[in-house]
Amino acid sequence: DAGVIQSPRHEVTEMGQEVTLRCKPISGHDYLFWYRQTMMRGLELLIYFNNNVPIDDSGMPEDRFSAKMPNASFSTLKIQPSEPRDSAVYFCASRRFNEKLFFGSGTQLSVL
Amino acid sequence: DQQVKQNSPSLSVQEGRISILNCDYTNSMFDYFLWYKKYPAEGPTFLISISSIKDKNEDGRFTVFLNKSAKHLSLHIVPSQPGDSAVYFCAATVGGGADGLTFGKGTHLIIQP
Repeated sequence: DAGVIQSPRHEVTEMGQEVTLRCKPISGHDYLFWYRQTMMRGLELLIYFNNNVPIDDSGMPEDRFSAKMPNASFSTLKIQPSEPRDSAVYFCASRRFNEKLFFGSGTQLSVL
Repeated sequence: DQQVKQNSPSLSVQEGRISILNCDYTNSMFDYFLWYKKYPAEGPTFLISISSIKDKNEDGRFTVFLNKSAKHLSLHIVPSQPGDSAVYFCAATVGGGADGLTFGKGTHLIIQP
């Protein structure tokens, strides 16, 4: 299996622009998670899906952030408009119920 | 409010010695604990876990100890090897992990030759 695949690996954008991060979970995994890593806060859970349905989005910082999972093999995290404080590494992770979590390699986002 | 705390941002240990990474938690509902290891430019990878019904779990050079009364767990690596240099994240969850993991901020372990 190719593992969790995220794209792009790096994204540099200007403040105010829309940013879309993409994730392909491991086939057969029915849980998908979006995490954000910063020096100040470590790894924070933003949102997670079960069977493509958002279950808990309480970690989403504000309305500028949105996430979708249109099917079992694809999810997006969108930031519109982006701000410099959104600069971080964004990880997607997936798993089956009660099994260990597998992470993608992350997207390094820089908002100038 | 951080429910999982790793109070040491970094730790330096000589090769061959024991590395001890610590983690404290505040949520008494947590019943499953994990350690993840992260190399630069890669995602975290699962290392070892422990259920709250146990106080120790061992896997090769890695041992995790859980002290429920103190709400404290630790990861012991012995002997430490250069490849162990990485960031280690402590994580916790409720109910075996039906929802997301709550992570600490991580400890950067540096193994010196």
